[in-house]
Amino acid sequence: DTGVSQDPRHKITKRGQNVTFRCDPISEHNRLYWYRQTLGQGPEFLTYFQNEAQLEKSRLLSDRFSAERPKGSFSTLEIQRTEQGDSAMYLCASSLGRTGVSETQYFGPGTRLLVL
Amino acid sequence: GQNIDQPTEMTATEGAIVQINCTYQTSGFNGLFWYQQHAGEAPTFLSYNVLDGLEEKGRFSSFLSRSKGYSYLLLKELQMKDSASYLCAVREWDTDKLIFGTGTRLQVFP
Repeated sequence: DTGVSQDPRHKITKRGQNVTFRCDPISEHNRLYWYRQTLGQGPEFLTYFQNEAQLEKSRLLSDRFSAERPKGSFSTLEIQRTEQGDSAMYLCASSLGRTGVSETQYFGPGTRLLVL
Repeated sequence: GQNIDQPTEMTATEGAIVQINCTYQTSGFNGLFWYQQHAGEAPTFLSYNVLDGLEEKGRFSSFLSRSKGYSYLLLKELQMKDSASYLCAVREWDTDKLIFGTGTRLQVFP
C-alpha cells in the first residue's frame, strides 16, 4: 500500500453513460497525476495537477474527459458519454512536487473501467 | 519524438540473474525510473537514476548511461514472486510527466 487510494476499484458501465473516479493522494503530496493503461501497454500520461492547478493535459484527454482537484487534495476524473475504447485501468499517482527535483511518483491501486 | 524500447517478454530460472534493458529517445531527460507491476495491480517504485552509473538496492540494481540513452535493471537471486512486468519510464526535463515503455513481462520458473 503506497498511501494513494482510488475509488472505485472496478467499474462496469454501458456505452454512453458518465463515470467519475476519485483519487486521494498521499497527504503531503502537492502533485497528482492521472494515467491510463490498457492491456499489454505501459501507463500513458493524461494530466497532472500542482496543488489545485491543472498544469498539463495530454492530447489523449478528449473533450469527454475532465479532471479536477478543487482544494488541492483529492482529485476526480470524469468521463462523459463513455465509449468502448475508454475501457482501461485508470491510475492515479502523487509526488511531493518540489520545483526542480525529479521525485518519485507513487501509484494508487487503479480503477479498472469496462465499457459494454 | 519520444521512444522507449524494452523487450516484451523474458524468462529466467529461480536463483538466477536477469538483466532487463531499456533504450530511450526523448525530447528532454530528467531521470529514469523502474517500476514493477504485478498483473492487475498498480506499478510500484523500484529505482531511480538521474546520473550515469549503477544504483544498487538489495537484489535489484539499475544502471544508466545518458550519452547512450540506455538503462538496465538487474535482478539477482531471482524468486518466483519476481514474476511481473517491469516498466522503464523517463521523466522529461520540461514537464513532470513520466513516459513509459510497454513493459517487460518476466516469468521466473522453478
